[in-house]
Amino acid sequence: GQNIDQPTEMTATEGAIVQINCTYQTSGFNGLFWYQQHAGEAPTFLSYNVLDGLEEKGRFSSFLSRSKGYSYLLLKELQMKDSASYLCAPLYNNNDMRFGAGTRLTVKP
Amino acid sequence: DAGITQSPRYKITETGRQVTLMCHQTWSHSYMFWYRQDLGHGLRLIYYSAAADITDKGEVPDGYVVSRSKTENFPLTLESATRSQTSVYFCASSEHTMTDTQYFGPGTRLTVL
Repeated sequence: GQNIDQPTEMTATEGAIVQINCTYQTSGFNGLFWYQQHAGEAPTFLSYNVLDGLEEKGRFSSFLSRSKGYSYLLLKELQMKDSASYLCAPLYNNNDMRFGAGTRLTVKP
Repeated sequence: DAGITQSPRYKITETGRQVTLMCHQTWSHSYMFWYRQDLGHGLRLIYYSAAADITDKGEVPDGYVVSRSKTENFPLTLESATRSQTSVYFCASSEHTMTDTQYFGPGTRLTVL
């Protein structure tokens, strides 16, 4: 397998910043997706990183280090509606999409 | 604009029966995908299709069959359902390539007794 590792659960406070890490194997790696999934719902796209560095998109930013096999999703100004699972999904060999088990984020008031 | 739909939303069947899950998208996207999602495993790709009449295996294709005679439809068939195929199944589509944003359907919760 591609050994995709991300924390199982995280808790943060409304208004705070949280960083969700993901590590993956680098062989055959093309790029990495982040998806958000609310309980009982379908995943929705957040970001796709191909190049090293940080990409910012509103309150959400995603970082990639290709050589280290490492990515993180940064959520700023947390809101209660951000309580969800966040899925790290590297793409390999242009056609092999793998998902991590997801990080369940709970935002508390 | 219906987007991407799946039917049925819920299905209970018995071991050994054939089951077909339907997926329909209205965007004329080239790529379509089938995933299953189980607790502790995350999403796993079953099959995908780059265009009509072109399908390829994903990570966990055994026990499943797909077809894509029309761009907008991508049915998934379990030829002889097993309990291990109890799962939530998601269909998704992307416009041109694997790296384009994938849009997911609402899912089908399948229980095999």
